[in-house]
Amino acid sequence: KAGVTQTPRYLIKTRGQQVTLSCSPISGHRSVSWYQQTPGQGLQFLFEYFSETQRNKGNFPGRFSGRQFSNSRSEMNVSTLELGDSALYLCASSAGAGAAEKLFFGSGTQLSVL
Amino acid sequence: AQSVTQLGSHVSVSEGALVLLRCNYSSSVPPYLFWYVQYPNQGLQLLLKYTSAATLVKGINGFEAEFKKSETSFHLTKPSAHMSDAAEYFCAVRGRDTGRRALTFGSGTRLQVQP
Repeated sequence: KAGVTQTPRYLIKTRGQQVTLSCSPISGHRSVSWYQQTPGQGLQFLFEYFSETQRNKGNFPGRFSGRQFSNSRSEMNVSTLELGDSALYLCASSAGAGAAEKLFFGSGTQLSVL
Repeated sequence: AQSVTQLGSHVSVSEGALVLLRCNYSSSVPPYLFWYVQYPNQGLQLLLKYTSAATLVKGINGFEAEFKKSETSFHLTKPSAHMSDAAEYFCAVRGRDTGRRALTFGSGTRLQVQP
């Protein structure tokens, strides 16, 4: 079974641009979560989707948004990029919505904002 | 709100020595607790999780962790370190409330294994 796939693997953008990151969960998984990882702030939760509905949202500005499609694939979008948005963005999927569910992480998208 | 604190951002051990990575949690009720490992340029991989079934949890790659409510701790151990264990380790907590499902991670501990 293929793991969580994130594309692209690396991305370079300039300030003010917008970016869309993609995540394909493990087949059959219906929950997708996104996390931002930076050296300074560590791992921070962005949002979670289950069956196309956003269930939880972290403490990030409205420039960060996401969506989930009917096939469970998810995208996150960051508009008006800032230097501080440079980070590794990790997507994780799980089969169900329970709190004890095991999360499977992708390798991430490394975003650099110049 | 739940939180976790990992004591020691860097830990160095010799190959074959005991690995002990410390994690303390803060929560009004016993939460779900997890240990993840991250190798360079990769995502996170679950090592083990505590869901209240047993206080001593065995995970992959020879790792185990013990949940101690009285100490609010969930330390990760491995009897004998291997070079391949060099990585960054994250402790994480998640509440049992279905409305608060986000994982809250500790700041991570980088494990170095010396030959």
